Amino acid sequence: GAGVSQSPRYKVAKRGQDVALRCDPISGHVSLFWYQQALGQGPEFLTYFQNEAQLDKSGLPSDRFFAERPEGSVSTLKIQRTQQEDSAVYLCASSSRVDDQPQHFGDGTRLSIL
Amino acid sequence: AQTVTQSQPEMSVQEAETVTLSCTYDTSESDYYLFWYKQPPSRQMILVIRQEAYKQQNATENRFSVNFQKAAKSFSLKISDSQLGDAAMYFCAYRSGERDDKIIFGKGTRLHILP
Repeated sequence: GAGVSQSPRYKVAKRGQDVALRCDPISGHVSLFWYQQALGQGPEFLTYFQNEAQLDKSGLPSDRFFAERPEGSVSTLKIQRTQQEDSAVYLCASSSRVDDQPQHFGDGTRLSIL
Repeated sequence: AQTVTQSQPEMSVQEAETVTLSCTYDTSESDYYLFWYKQPPSRQMILVIRQEAYKQQNATENRFSVNFQKAAKSFSLKISDSQLGDAAMYFCAYRSGERDDKIIFGKGTRLHILP
C-alpha cells in the first residue's frame, strides 16, 4: 500500500477485556515499530520487529502487552485484561532499514478503556 | 539514556510571521539524528525536517529551518511565513545513529496560528 495502515482507527473496550490492534506496514519494509502516545504526551517506544523477529520489547509496560509479526509483514499488538491507564493512541511505524531512511507512521489507533 | 526536552507546551504566532520552537536533548553518543515531526489532529506523524549530527550545516526545508547547536545540545525549529495549515503539535525527536533504532520524542509544543 501507499502508507502504513492501522486498524481499527478507534477502539472502545471495557476494563478487563482483551484488545487487538493491527498494523499493515509499507510493502517491503523490513522494520516495524510500535509506540504508545498518552494524551498530551509524545509517543513512547513499545517494541521493534525486524522481519518476524522481535528484537526489542523493552518498552512494553507489562506482561499484559504482547506483539507479534508472524510472517514479517502485518503486526498485531495485543493487550490483555485492559486497564484504564492503557487508554492512549497506539502508533505503528515502518522503515526499509536502509541508512538514512525515515520511519513512516500510520494514523494510529485511539484506544479508550471504560 | 537519551532524553529530549521541549520546554514550551504551547505557542502562538500571527499568520505570516516567524516562530521558533525550542528543543534540547541529552546524549553521550556522537552519531545520531534529530527530527522535528508535525502531528495534526488526524494523528499522523509527519516528518518536517531531519538533521544528521555529523553535518554542521543546518537543515532547511522550504519555510522550515533548524538551528543545530551540537555543543549546547540544542535543536530549534524556525517556521517562516507561518500559515494556518502549520497549526499542529510539533515534536522534537532523537534517534541513535545505529541503523533502525527507536525514536525518542519530546513532549511536544502545540502551535496555534492566529489569523
